[in-house]
Amino acid sequence: GAGVSQSPSNKVTEKGKDVELRCDPISGHTALYWYRQSLGQGLEFLIYFQGNSAPDKSGLPSDRFSAERTGGSVSTLTIQRTQQEDSAVYLCASSLAGGSETQYFGPGTRLLVL
Amino acid sequence: GENVEQHPSTLSVQEGDSAVIKCTYSDSASNYFPWYKQELGKGSQLIIDIRSNVGEKKDQRIAVTLNKTAKHFSLHITETQPEDSAVYFCAARINFNKFYFGSGTKLNVKP
Repeated sequence: GAGVSQSPSNKVTEKGKDVELRCDPISGHTALYWYRQSLGQGLEFLIYFQGNSAPDKSGLPSDRFSAERTGGSVSTLTIQRTQQEDSAVYLCASSLAGGSETQYFGPGTRLLVL
Repeated sequence: GENVEQHPSTLSVQEGDSAVIKCTYSDSASNYFPWYKQELGKGSQLIIDIRSNVGEKKDQRIAVTLNKTAKHFSLHITETQPEDSAVYFCAARINFNKFYFGSGTKLNVKP
């Protein structure tokens, strides 16, 4: 069946512009996670959704970052006024329920801020 | 918060040899430790996991060991094959849905 999909796969933007990243989780998965992976670094937790609500926003690095999820499905991660240090691969994962540990990852969006 | 360290950052082995990747964690409350394989252009895949009440788990050529006292866990791949070449990440779960990841190990299996 279809896995987690993300779009775009690559995004190049200029410093100061806003970008929007999209994640389509596996159908029926209620939990959705956003991570960031900078070059040579591990995965950094950004935010977690259970349904449409985000009980844990502690990982968002600044108020330029926001995320929403609608209909318990698609999620968008928005970065406003991008900075060069925002350049990274942004990964989305979903799991069947909040209690399920198996996270299925998407292929990621590679963001480059010039 | 939790801190997960992973070593080595790169590992090169000959096909057929074994590969071992080690991770340490800092918070004794961590209770679940998955390993992910990340291949270029693909999403990360869960390859094996272990809970804190188990010391070892094996699945064909892959095994994971956990030492709770020392707060470290290791991934063991035996009889490596070229298709095992990828970046491997360890993780530790401390809260119900928050995972902390290691920095990754790039494994290269030479044919």
